[in-house]
Amino acid sequence: QSALTQPASVSGSPGQSITISCTGTSSDVGGYNFVSWYQQHPGKAPKLMIYDVSNRPSGISNRFSGSKSGNTASLTISGLQAEDEADYYCISYTSGNTPFVFGIGTKVTVL
Amino acid sequence: QVQLVQSGSELKKPGASVRISCKASGYMFTTYAINWVRQAPGQGLEWMGWINTNTGDPTYAQGFTGRFVFSWDTSVSTAYLQISSLRPEDTAVYYCAGWRPASMVFWFDPWGQGTLVTVSS
Repeated sequence: QSALTQPASVSGSPGQSITISCTGTSSDVGGYNFVSWYQQHPGKAPKLMIYDVSNRPSGISNRFSGSKSGNTASLTISGLQAEDEADYYCISYTSGNTPFVFGIGTKVTVL
Repeated sequence: QVQLVQSGSELKKPGASVRISCKASGYMFTTYAINWVRQAPGQGLEWMGWINTNTGDPTYAQGFTGRFVFSWDTSVSTAYLQISSLRPEDTAVYYCAGWRPASMVFWFDPWGQGTLVTVSS
C-alpha cells in the first residue's frame, strides 16, 4: 500500500496562511471521510489536530482547519505562529488489506 | 484522563529481543484498540499494525511480520510490542496509539510518549 503524498516542506511568515495537501486514491482519502491530521514537534509524540477531514478536537485552535476534494485532503493553518513550526502528518482509513495509510509528512517552517 | 504511558528507553545488541509496554489509564482498556507506529531517526511515521484489545487478534502491516509480535494483558491494561532478532535498522522511536473501530472512530488519540529503542553493538 503506497503512502499518502504530502509536500516535503511548506513555509510561511507569521500571520500568513499555509495549506498542506495530502493526496491518496479513491480507496482511501477519496473513498472515506476518515482523514486525520497530526502535529509533531521534535522529540514529542504526534498530536491530533483534525479528525474526520474537518473536525477539531477540543482544545485545538480554530486557526487549524481541514477540508477534502476528491482524492486530496488539506490542512490549512491561518494566522501562522512560531509555535506552529513542526512536522505534520495525515492518516487515512483505507479499504486495503490493512485499515490505515500514512502520509510521508510535511515540515512547516515559520520564516 | 485517558492516557497511554510507555516503558522507558532500551539499548540492545544486535540479535537480542526487546519488549515495549503501553499501559492504559483513565478508561476501560478494551474500549480502545492499540496501534503501533515506528519512527526511525529523522524519518516519518510508519504504521506497524494494531491489536484488538477485546480479542487479542493482531494485524501486522507489510514489513512487520515475523520478528514483530503484538500482545496484551487486560488484567494490567497493557499492550506490548516485542521485537526479536534485533537489527541496527530497528533503531527507532516506537509509539502506541489508541483508536476505537467499534465506535467508527478512525483517528489516533491518545498517543503514548514513545519508546526509543537503540540497537548497537
